[in-house]
Order: sequence, then structure tokens, then C-alpha cells
Amino acid sequence: DQQVKQNSPSLSVQEGRISILNCDYTNSMFDYFLWYKKYPAEGPTFLISISSIKDKNEDGRFTVFLNKSAKHLSLHIVPSQPGDSAVYFCAAGNTGNQFYFGTGTSLTVIP
Amino acid sequence: GAVVSQHPSRVICKSGTSVKIECRSLDFQATTMFWYRQFPKKSLMLMATSNEGSKATYEQGVEKDKFLINHASLTLSTLTVTSAHPEDSSFYICSARRSPGQNIQYFGAGTRLSVL
Repeated sequence: DQQVKQNSPSLSVQEGRISILNCDYTNSMFDYFLWYKKYPAEGPTFLISISSIKDKNEDGRFTVFLNKSAKHLSLHIVPSQPGDSAVYFCAAGNTGNQFYFGTGTSLTVIP
Repeated sequence: GAVVSQHPSRVICKSGTSVKIECRSLDFQATTMFWYRQFPKKSLMLMATSNEGSKATYEQGVEKDKFLINHASLTLSTLTVTSAHPEDSSFYICSARRSPGQNIQYFGAGTRLSVL
């Protein structure tokens, strides 16, 4: 059973606009969440994370929001740039233990 | 960020042969490495956790005799797919973390295995 879900397999956004990628999880005990970015022929690279004690973490153009009651997190990219075009994976789990990954969302930023 | 190298990136083999995939942490020592398998349009599925100097911990449903994991040093873990069959064809990817308490995993580029 999928513990982490990314229900949108793809997303297209105009350059300069906001990209919002969503992720849902089932286990309310998860205490750490991460977003990874993956280019073709490369492994996923860490982008941003958030602990369950926070509801927002910001790093430059990237912001992750966590809604624990809804078991939902989202990644906001603003402004979106063509170089942001990639597949984005969210992951959730407990510190020091196994992390579960979503199926990924392919983001295309249109120049 | 940390660098993890995975080799080979692609391998094609005949049914019944064994294939070894290497995962190296290039700029840090990794006491723990992870091996994942990804099916088309599915998420990364954890196969096993590789611990340096001890036996790997396999996830439920993963055959340990089929997927042999060796973590001989702090920078190298290997996954050997023994007596490969077409159903073993998949994308295998490894990751490593700098310390047991760290949540961030650094990934290799993955290996596409095709068994004829």
C-alpha cells in the first residue's frame, strides 16, 4: 500500500509563475519530509526538507508547506524557471528509519 | 552536496547470469547505504539496507539469496542480482547517508538492468 502519494504525474507552468507540487501521506507518525529533484540520467538530488515540528520551510525560490492534520505537503517554486523542469519526488518517514517515496511529478516550465 | 557514484548505468545480460552493481560514496564515509528498485510509473521501493561490516537488512518480499548485498567498506556497497531472469529487469538505485541520524540520502544515478 502506497504510504506516500503524488497524484499529479505531470505539471506544466509558464516561466515566472508559481509551481505547486503536492504530496499526501498516510502515516501520521512520520516526522520528517523531503523533496528531491531528478534530471534524466541522474539520481535524485536533495532539494529541501521539513520537520514535523514546523509547517513551513523556505530556501530561496523553494518553499515547502506541511499540513499535518491533512497529512499533506506541498512544494512551491516561485518564480519558476526553465531549469526547474525535472521530476520531483517527495519522501516521508521517521528520523533514522526508512523513508517512503512518492511516484514523482514531472514539472515542465515553459519559457 | 555529497556524491554517490553507481556503476554500471546500464547493463544487458542473458537470463541465468549474475550481475553486480556497485555503489560508492565518493566524498564521505557511509555506514549505511540503501538499495531501491523502481518499476515503471511506480515509486522507489526499498529493497534492503546495507550496513558496513554486518549483514544487510532486507525488506519483506525481497529474496536475499537472489539479491546479494555486500558492504565491504565504508565507501562501497554492491548489489548482485544472481541468476537473473527477465522479471528482474528494472531500475535499481542506491543511496547513502552521512550518518545514522541524518535523514538526507544521497543517490547514485541508478542502473537500468535488462535481462534477455
